[in-house]
Amino acid sequence: DIVMTQSPESLTVSLGERATINCKSSQSVFYNSNDKNYLAWYQQKPGQPPKVLISWASNRESGVPDRFSGSGSGTDFTLTISSLQAEDAAVYYCQQYYKTPPLFGQGTKLEIK
Amino acid sequence: QVQLVESGGGVVQPGGSLRLSCRASGFMFSDYGMHWVRQAPGKAPEWVASIWFDGTNIYYSDAVRGRFTISRDNSNNMLHLQMHSLRAEDTAVYYCARRAIFGTAPGYCDFWGQGTLVTVSS
Repeated sequence: DIVMTQSPESLTVSLGERATINCKSSQSVFYNSNDKNYLAWYQQKPGQPPKVLISWASNRESGVPDRFSGSGSGTDFTLTISSLQAEDAAVYYCQQYYKTPPLFGQGTKLEIK
Repeated sequence: QVQLVESGGGVVQPGGSLRLSCRASGFMFSDYGMHWVRQAPGKAPEWVASIWFDGTNIYYSDAVRGRFTISRDNSNNMLHLQMHSLRAEDTAVYYCARRAIFGTAPGYCDFWGQGTLVTVSS
């Protein structure tokens, strides 16, 4: 199995500042044949299902604000939220979808101060 | 718009059975693979099972293989999860989600339902 490890487990960032969340996979999720990283980022707020923000490591899904960006390749990935807004308080998960089982990271809880 | 609505959750005793359903609308259901993903209270989401658009490929997590069966009815836009031999550790909110990729990789989840709660307790 490709295990996903996120860091930190939680962080508190001031309104308007930048937040960075890291995700590391136990094996590469990069597929040479199509030059893509099979990595997604989700945001989950209390009482709601996860919502996909980023696919293919850096592709912002439709309707996602451009303050959310994804980067990285191979085994190391980052979700960056620039200019934090109050509504960005949530738990964030990464997921690899390269191989079955498509495992999720353990989550990073983001609080805004 | 894409809508996924789960039903069938409830309280069941250990060793019991339950059948979850997910009604899909707003997209061509027969063109998409689907996932079941569960989430125990305070935990990360956990992938449970996947079924390809035509039902030809089915995959299960080790935790549920042999106890759960995923199926679909493309004529009625329905996804199902039959669960047997339920255990306390199966307690979770169960989500159906649309598989956002074609090809052989498992794919990510681009749309999710609101979930249905399954509680396994005596």
